[in-house]
Amino acid sequence: SQQGEEDPQALSIQEGENATMNCSYKTSINNLQWYRQNSGRGLVHLILIRSNEREKHSGRLRVTLDTSKKSSSLLITASRAADTASYFCATDPPAAGNKLTFGGGTRVLVKP
Amino acid sequence: DTEVTQTPKHLVMGMTNKKSLKCEQHMGHRAMYWYKQKAKKPPELMFVYSYEKLSINESVPSRFSPECPNSSLLNLHLHALQPEDSALYLCASSQGLAGGRAKNIQYFGAGTRLSVL
Repeated sequence: SQQGEEDPQALSIQEGENATMNCSYKTSINNLQWYRQNSGRGLVHLILIRSNEREKHSGRLRVTLDTSKKSSSLLITASRAADTASYFCATDPPAAGNKLTFGGGTRVLVKP
Repeated sequence: DTEVTQTPKHLVMGMTNKKSLKCEQHMGHRAMYWYKQKAKKPPELMFVYSYEKLSINESVPSRFSPECPNSSLLNLHLHALQPEDSALYLCASSQGLAGGRAKNIQYFGAGTRLSVL
């Protein structure tokens, strides 16, 4: 079953603009990850934020986590056409073994 | 090497055929996964192998049969599939629980695009 819901489902921006997408989840988590998927390809891990962290940066990516609201956001700054992809959050609840539960995804289109 | 290799890239099969999907990783990962993904949907977990033993089966129909011959290889045997089984099948691997909870970062292959006629 799907743990996370992502918002918006789709996003269209111009190159150079920032893209923000949100993820909400239902249960407690050990950590939250974000993945990118280019069309018809496999997923690529972008960033992991632990449940005791509030913000994390990696290059042009900034992730926040609010465990009290059970939500996370992913910000891509100065977007490029190559950032066009679907972005998924994935949660790792306690006692779930190796299982990740993916959100519904946000499809991002960056127009040149 | 952070690569997970899946073969074939594309597969077309009839409902009476038997085929297999293959997945290989050489990262020393001890957990391997099969996912099914429909268009514009997130990946749905099918199976998890941990230390070469099946640890999670997400109530997948028996026409899908996973196999883990060794720690680097994962197969998915297909038999008597239905047209609704057409999807992108993704394999992934991770360090497994020995890598700690924070190491459940999964590395994905490029997938097998399966069409069932």
